[in-house]
Amino acid sequence: SYDVTQPPSVSVSPGQTAIITCSGDELGDKYVSWYRQKPGHSPILVMYQDNKRPSGIPERFSASNSGNTATLTISGTQVMDEADYYCQTWGSATLIVFGGGTKLTVL
Amino acid sequence: VQLVESGGLVVQPGGSLRLSCVVSGFTFDDFTMYWARQVPGKGLEWVSLISWDSNVIHTATSVKGRFTVSRDNSKDSLFLQMNSLTTEDTALYYCAKGPNSVSDCGGGSCYFESWGRGTQVTVSS
Repeated sequence: SYDVTQPPSVSVSPGQTAIITCSGDELGDKYVSWYRQKPGHSPILVMYQDNKRPSGIPERFSASNSGNTATLTISGTQVMDEADYYCQTWGSATLIVFGGGTKLTVL
Repeated sequence: VQLVESGGLVVQPGGSLRLSCVVSGFTFDDFTMYWARQVPGKGLEWVSLISWDSNVIHTATSVKGRFTVSRDNSKDSLFLQMNSLTTEDTALYYCAKGPNSVSDCGGGSCYFESWGRGTQVTVSS
């Protein structure tokens, strides 16, 4: 089955740039989406089709996907961005695959 | 857009349960729909996909043969029939809306545009 790997945690100071990675074999050949989930809340879509932002998501969120790695970048990170972030793509045996999630800490 | 799940309960191993998701705020039969689940404190897991016309259905290997997704477009409702439940099925189950009627993941249309709040399923003796 196809697997994608995320770092368990990323820490950043307020105002700095947070970079969250998602790695998988030839991931750049697939579309990747990203979700943010705060404790006790449902996930929300923050990026789709590699680098597109849904309406309502701040411009400080951007993403890319190339080679074996997709990247979610949060510029000027704010305390409100602290959450778990999940990447998602598709495979063959398992049609839709989520990464294990990355806990973003802003301190 | 609103998605409201229901039907989660405490059930014994080997039991069955039917989850429902009633939607509003969009034209239900224009969209592919999904079920996903999350064990508390753990990550997200995709469970099932159903196309707008129910002609395309995909189910995760972990639940294949036990879980069946269906929909009733006349009632703006999505369902998940869960049989032969095990303790490993204990999770918060989410209903989610796709971005369009396309169910071709290779074309970039397999993602979860909106999510419900979830319904808790607990399998325990």
